[in-house]
Amino acid sequence: EAQVTQNPRYLITVTGKKLTVTCSQNMNHEYMSWYRQDPGLGLRQIYYSMNVEVTDKGDVPEGYKVSRKEKRNFPLILESPSPNQTSLYFCASRGQAYGYTFGSGTRLTVV
Amino acid sequence: EDKVVQSPLSLVVHEGDTVTLNCSYEVTNFRSLLWYKQEKKAPTFLFMLTSSGIEKKSGRLSSILDKKELFSILNITATQTGDSAIYLCALLNYGGSQGNLIFGKGTKLSVKP
Repeated sequence: EAQVTQNPRYLITVTGKKLTVTCSQNMNHEYMSWYRQDPGLGLRQIYYSMNVEVTDKGDVPEGYKVSRKEKRNFPLILESPSPNQTSLYFCASRGQAYGYTFGSGTRLTVV
Repeated sequence: EDKVVQSPLSLVVHEGDTVTLNCSYEVTNFRSLLWYKQEKKAPTFLFMLTSSGIEKKSGRLSSILDKKELFSILNITATQTGDSAIYLCALLNYGGSQGNLIFGKGTKLSVKP
């Protein structure tokens, strides 16, 4: 089944403790992206990647890092999480015909 | 600056009603406009619209794009409680990001029995 898999689904962490949210897709898509969703603000792009080793900032990149060493994986790294990064995160990959396919989301709480 | 504005932000209807959700946009290099439905978690794809005036249909849902007036509508006929969700409109542009999706804030639809 074609899908985007994110892990974990839920995460509670403390300020400053490095964490990684993994994202993997099995559709051989070149384009992948991370979004965060906050009430009243909608979905905002954090980082995107057009292919292996090619990444760029989206609209809200501060406090995040990404890497794209393999085509299928696009992890999101928070080196020093802060409470304002508490949010719902989505990974997505893009095909040609059907727009983006989203992962199931990661609910992150930073205390 | 490219942007997407959806209206209304929320809507409450009763089962059987017909609803129209609106999406207007401003974009430098238009590629496509997409509609998504978001229930509890991830947005799920509904429609991709590229050409003006061509209606896309899927069951009770339909959508159309007007590239001259820069808007799209999503219609849902004979609404059911299962249609309750946030409906997201998103713009796909040809800008420097080669395919960035710019989302509106969504319309929250509640369908009451």
